[in-house]
Amino acid sequence: DAGVIQSPRHEVTEMGQEVTLRCKPISGHNSLFWYRQTMMRGLELLIYFNNNVPIDDSGMPEDRFSAKMPNASFSTLKIQPSEPRDSAVYFCASSFTPNGQRYGYTFGSGTRLTVV
Amino acid sequence: AQTVTQSQPEMSVQEAETVTLSCTYDTSENNYYLFWYKQPPSRQMILVIRQEAYKQQNATENRFSVNFQKAAKSFSLKISDSQLGDTAMYFCAFMKSSSDRGSTLGRLYFGRGTQLTVWP
Repeated sequence: DAGVIQSPRHEVTEMGQEVTLRCKPISGHNSLFWYRQTMMRGLELLIYFNNNVPIDDSGMPEDRFSAKMPNASFSTLKIQPSEPRDSAVYFCASSFTPNGQRYGYTFGSGTRLTVV
Repeated sequence: AQTVTQSQPEMSVQEAETVTLSCTYDTSENNYYLFWYKQPPSRQMILVIRQEAYKQQNATENRFSVNFQKAAKSFSLKISDSQLGDTAMYFCAFMKSSSDRGSTLGRLYFGRGTQLTVWP
C-alpha cells in the first residue's frame, strides 16, 4: 500500500496565479479530508468528502478555494487567485468510515505552498 | 463544538528519560475516540496511539502509553525511554463516535501541538 499520495511536495507561485494541489487516497478508503497547517492557526479542516460527496466545506476560507473529488481515487484542491496569506502546508488524509472513527486517518506527506 | 487544548507549547527531555505531554478536551459526547499524532521534521503525520472512550483500560504501544481520565476530560501521553527519534511535534486529537450521519461524523479536532525535543 503506497499510502496517501500528494503532489506536488513543494509549490512556489506568484500572487494571482492558480494553484492546484492533488491527492490520491488509499484504495478502499471512502472518506477524504483536506487540512491546512499554519503556525498561527494550527491544523484546520478545510473540507471533508464521504463517498466522493462533499459533506462539510465550512472550513473553506473563501470563494477562491474549491475542492473536487471526481472519483474515489482522486481529489484536487484549487486556489484561484492565490494570495501570500495562503502560504501553508496542505495535508490530505483518508480513512474508511466508520472504522476511521476507531483508527484515525492516514495522512499524506503534505504540500508546502509558498505564494510570493 | 469540540475543543482540544494542549497547554505545553514546548517540552524537552533527556534521552532515556520519561516525559508526559498533556491534553484536555471539551465535549458533551459520551462516546468518542482520542488520538496522539506525531509530526517529525519530515512533516509526515504519524498515528502514535489511540484510545476508545468506552474502554477504561489505558492504551499502550511499546514505549508510548496514555493516561485517560474521562471524568476530567484528560488524555496525556507518556513516552518512556525517550529516544532522539522521538523529537517531533505531538498533536492530540478528538473524534466523535456516532451513528449520526451529520457533517461532523469522522472529523478530527486537533490541539495546537507540543514540540518535544529529546537531547543526548
